Amino acid sequence: DVKVTQSSRYLVKRTGEKVFLECVQDMDHENMFWYRQDPGLGLRLIYFSYDVKMKEKGDIPEGYSVSREKKERFSLILESASTNQTSMYLCASSFLAGQNQPQHFGDGTRLSIL
Amino acid sequence: AQSVTQLGSHVSVSEGALVLLRCNYSSSVPPYLFWYVQYPNQGLQLLLKYTTGATLVKGINGFEAEFKKSETSFHLTKPSAHMSDAAEYFCAVSDRTGGGNKLTFGTGTQLKVEL
Repeated sequence: DVKVTQSSRYLVKRTGEKVFLECVQDMDHENMFWYRQDPGLGLRLIYFSYDVKMKEKGDIPEGYSVSREKKERFSLILESASTNQTSMYLCASSFLAGQNQPQHFGDGTRLSIL
Repeated sequence: AQSVTQLGSHVSVSEGALVLLRCNYSSSVPPYLFWYVQYPNQGLQLLLKYTTGATLVKGINGFEAEFKKSETSFHLTKPSAHMSDAAEYFCAVSDRTGGGNKLTFGTGTQLKVEL
């Protein structure tokens, strides 16, 4: 089974802090994704990556950055956390070949910014 | 641009009753379609997917969905609801012309199953 592991299930940080969310997958997937999930809005794509050191903006990249130094690891960075970034964050991965590849998700990190 | 509409943010059914969760898509080309389920405090789990071929797709836990191109729909059904089906369900579309296997998700439907 594919395993996507997010480093924290719950995280509480303060406004202005730099926050790192980590995600690791064990299936040698090329693609990795970071989503934000809010009630009534579904999942919104923040950033994604096709390969090591490669990244592309999703639909809501403002206030976020990402890092992919190794194929299995994809980090989401909140440079200066704000209260409107309080949310559930989901990481996913998939194979690159073909648009019909499903994404596999981690269990999420529920982030609260105080 | 592609989009997904899930009609009904909350659906309530009795145990043993038919489950019908609606999904309509908008895409300039025939899409790939997915249904995911999210149980409380968990990530999303793939229920089923439509790529090509048979338009009736069977998934896990007794769910199935039918791709209807003329109606641009991909509704999810289950003949008999079980208490364990209570969860949030997301429909998603992947544009065949796009890169990187990006998915566009609907806003989700919360399914409640009552005794």
